[in-house]
Amino acid sequence: AQSVTQLDSHVSVSEGTPVLLRCNYSSSYSPSLFWYVQHPNKGLQLLLKYTSAATLVKGINGFEAEFKKSETSFHLTKPSAHMSDAAEYFCVVSDLGGTSYGKLTFGQGTILTVHP
Amino acid sequence: GAGVSQSPSNKVTEKGKDVELRCDPISGHTALYWYRQSLGQGLEFLIYFQGNSAPDKSGLPSDRFSAERTGGSVSTLTIQRTQQEDSAVYLCASSLSLSGTLGAYEQYFGPGTRLTVT
Repeated sequence: AQSVTQLDSHVSVSEGTPVLLRCNYSSSYSPSLFWYVQHPNKGLQLLLKYTSAATLVKGINGFEAEFKKSETSFHLTKPSAHMSDAAEYFCVVSDLGGTSYGKLTFGQGTILTVHP
Repeated sequence: GAGVSQSPSNKVTEKGKDVELRCDPISGHTALYWYRQSLGQGLEFLIYFQGNSAPDKSGLPSDRFSAERTGGSVSTLTIQRTQQEDSAVYLCASSLSLSGTLGAYEQYFGPGTRLTVT
C-alpha cells in the first residue's frame, strides 16, 4: 500500500525568503516520488521526480527535493520565493509493485501563499 | 508538441442524465489514466489503461462509472445516471508507459473537465 502525507495544508512566505513544503510517504515497494504544482484554474504541472537515481532532485523554476529513505520524506524546497510560485503543490507517490502498481497517490495538497 | 487534451472543458448536466468525457493523450503514450479532483476528497485515481492489457478499474467509485480506450489512443469516461456527488473536475493523464528501468514515468495531465450536476 502507498500513501502520502503533506504536513501543512497552507504555507505563507514573503517574497525572497526560502520555501519548505513537507511531505512524508509510505510505500511497500521502492517508490517513485513526484511534486506537481497547480496554479489557479490551471492543469497539473510536473515540478520534479525521484526515480531511484540521485536522491537530491532538481526541478523547474528553482525547486528541488531530497529523498530521505530513513525519514520516509521528500520535502520540496526553494531558496527564494517568487510571487509566481503562489499555487497549490501536491506530493505524489507511485509504487512499483503490488496492487498499487501504476497508480499515483496524491497528498492533500499544500497551498503556498507568497506575500510581497 | 501537443499535450493531453480533454473535452468538454465544462459540462453542466441534470441529475439522472448520462455524460461522456473525452481524453486525447499525447501521441506515443501507451498508458492513460483518469482521476477525479473534488473539494474534500482531493485527487482520486479512477482507472488506468496500459497498452492492450485489461484496464485497472479499481478506483471507479460505482458501477455507474465506466471507461474505454479505443485503438490505444482516445479514451472516454462515461458516467450514467449522474448524481450531485459526481460534481468534480475529471482529469486525464498519459505517460510513456507505467514504468521504466529507473521507476515510474511522469504523467502529463490535461486541463480537466469540470462537471457540474444540478
